[in-house]
Amino acid sequence: AQSVAQPEDQVNVAEGNPLTVKCTYSVSGNPYLFWYVQYPNRGLQFLLKYITGDNLVKGSYGFEAEFNKSQTSFHLKKPSALVSDSALYFCAVRDRDAGNNRKLIWGLGTSLAVNP
Amino acid sequence: DAGVTQSPTHLIKTRGQHVTLRCSPISGHKSVSWYQQVLGQGPQFIFQYYEKEERGRGNFPDRFSARQFPNYSSELNVNALLLGDSALYLCASSSLPGNTIYFGEGSWLTVV
Repeated sequence: AQSVAQPEDQVNVAEGNPLTVKCTYSVSGNPYLFWYVQYPNRGLQFLLKYITGDNLVKGSYGFEAEFNKSQTSFHLKKPSALVSDSALYFCAVRDRDAGNNRKLIWGLGTSLAVNP
Repeated sequence: DAGVTQSPTHLIKTRGQHVTLRCSPISGHKSVSWYQQVLGQGPQFIFQYYEKEERGRGNFPDRFSARQFPNYSSELNVNALLLGDSALYLCASSSLPGNTIYFGEGSWLTVV
């Protein structure tokens, strides 16, 4: 069965420090991986995705994520956090080889708080 | 270009009532998905439609139904509302099923 785990409910970092939001996944085939961000009382915004190719994916707002097949991880990173990055972050996975089963599987979310 | 638009943005209904939520996808997108997000949780998949046909259904009761129109817009209908249906309902569109989905701002439903 497909699953996504975001092991940290909350991550706290100081502004200017690097941030990492963790995500691990389980799929039977090859994964498509996604990160979305949700600001308070807003919908979800697409940040970046891994489909194939380079393991380091760059996305919106200076975020990047590294696909690690051996560790089945897709951690979200940013070299220097901003207070405005404070939001809820969701990791999602789809099994590329699932045929008609194209449903995204979502993590429970990680709340990122960047302190000034 | 306009993103995914949803209406209404907020609404309050009483138990037992019916609600219809509407969604217009990004221009050129033919697939629409609906999600329910309860406060403090991740999105839960309800339906996916593509070319007016249902392509996927999540684990929701039959009180939930949806349809997609020829212009690719969509409606989500919920009958016999329960207090537990109070949530943010998100619509997302993609050019094709399986492609990256883009969300609207959601419709906040409160059932009292």
